[in-house]
Amino acid sequence: AQSVAQPEDQVNVAEGNPLTVKCTYSVSGNPYLFWYVQYPNRGLQFLLKYITGDNLVKGSYGFEAEFNKSQTSFHLKKPSALVSDSALYFCAVREVNRDDKIIFGKGTRLHILP
Amino acid sequence: GAGVSQTPSNKVTEKGKYVELRCDPISGHTALYWYRQSLGQGPEFLIYFQGTGAADDSGLPNDRFFAVRPEGSVSTLKIQRTERGDSAVYLCASSLVGGSQETQYFGPGTRLLVL
Repeated sequence: AQSVAQPEDQVNVAEGNPLTVKCTYSVSGNPYLFWYVQYPNRGLQFLLKYITGDNLVKGSYGFEAEFNKSQTSFHLKKPSALVSDSALYFCAVREVNRDDKIIFGKGTRLHILP
Repeated sequence: GAGVSQTPSNKVTEKGKYVELRCDPISGHTALYWYRQSLGQGPEFLIYFQGTGAADDSGLPNDRFFAVRPEGSVSTLKIQRTERGDSAVYLCASSLVGGSQETQYFGPGTRLLVL
């Protein structure tokens, strides 16, 4: 069965510092991996995805994520955090050739401290 | 262009009542998904439509939940005999044709509170 783990409920980072939000996954086949962000009272917004190719994926708002197959990880990163990055972040996985559900992690709340 | 829209944005009902939640996907998207997000959790899959038909309804928790998409565009999630445990945010998403590589685009959700 597919699953996603986000080991940190909350991450605090000072503005201007680099940030990392961790994600590990489990699928029986090859994965497609996604990051979404959720701002208060708003829906999920797509940030980036890994399908194939370069393990480093660049997305919206300066975020990037690195796919590591041996560690089954897909950590979200940004070189310099902004206060406006404060939100709830969800990692998600989909198995290749499965057209239905995306499996989401529980989410990590990111606090950027001014 | 317009994104996924959902109505109502908030719904308060009493235990035992019937509710309908509406989703209007991005124009031209043939795939439509419903998810449920409980407090402190990530979204959980409920049902997936490809066109008018439900391609996968394995996430519906029980037979009180039902969804339709009669014309392949707007979808309605229906909950009968609501229970307090049904309180959650119900999210709708759509994608162009439903392929596994595609991004799903989410609406703002309907927050359901069952008293």
